[in-house]
Amino acid sequence: DAGVTQSPTHLIKTRGQQVTLRCSPKSGHDTVSWYQQALGQGPQFIFQYYEEEERQRGNFPDRFSGHQFPNYSSELNVNALLLGDSALYLCASSLAAGGPRETQYFGPGTRLLVL
Amino acid sequence: AQTVTQSQPEMSVQEAETVTLSCTYDTSESDYYLFWYKQPPSRQMILVIRQEAYKQQNATENRFSVNFQKAAKSFSLKISDSQLGDAAMYFCAYRTHIFLSGGATNKLIFGTGTLLAVQP
Repeated sequence: DAGVTQSPTHLIKTRGQQVTLRCSPKSGHDTVSWYQQALGQGPQFIFQYYEEEERQRGNFPDRFSGHQFPNYSSELNVNALLLGDSALYLCASSLAAGGPRETQYFGPGTRLLVL
Repeated sequence: AQTVTQSQPEMSVQEAETVTLSCTYDTSESDYYLFWYKQPPSRQMILVIRQEAYKQQNATENRFSVNFQKAAKSFSLKISDSQLGDAAMYFCAYRTHIFLSGGATNKLIFGTGTLLAVQP
């Protein structure tokens, strides 16, 4: 049973560039959430996708956008990168039918460094 | 808005000893879920234990147990018989009970974490 996978594992970009991160949910899961974890901090919620629509959004600018595909995989896009976007980006998947009690399973993350 | 606070940036414990990690939270809701997640150096966040606020009984998972004090809004994690593999960053997290429309599940709100070192 494959868990949550993310690609790439590491990425280096320069200011102003655009980046796309990818996530495949755990088998059987239909909901994908993205979190940003700055160094020494706890993860911060970016947004969540279910049925190919953005269902919730955290306090992040429009430079952060996403997409969910029919196979439930998801992408996180960040435009006009800033130095402050350097962080570990975590993807988490869950089953919507499980409700609030449902466990979110996390991927290993993508480490983004913006120079 | 809900907040989660972990006041211990770092903790250390001897192998086979017991350690308690603290977490407090602020909410006006009466029903919610609390979680402890472990993040080892490999970075993959792993669920350690979960507590439903409506349950008075403290959750336990093998060597891990919680002390849930709802009135005090406190949710501490006790690790018994500490092992070298327990060394990691530990995050306390909160989730509202409210079931969102459209099938979405609510976001997790994390604390800043406690880095646990286990000394051999």
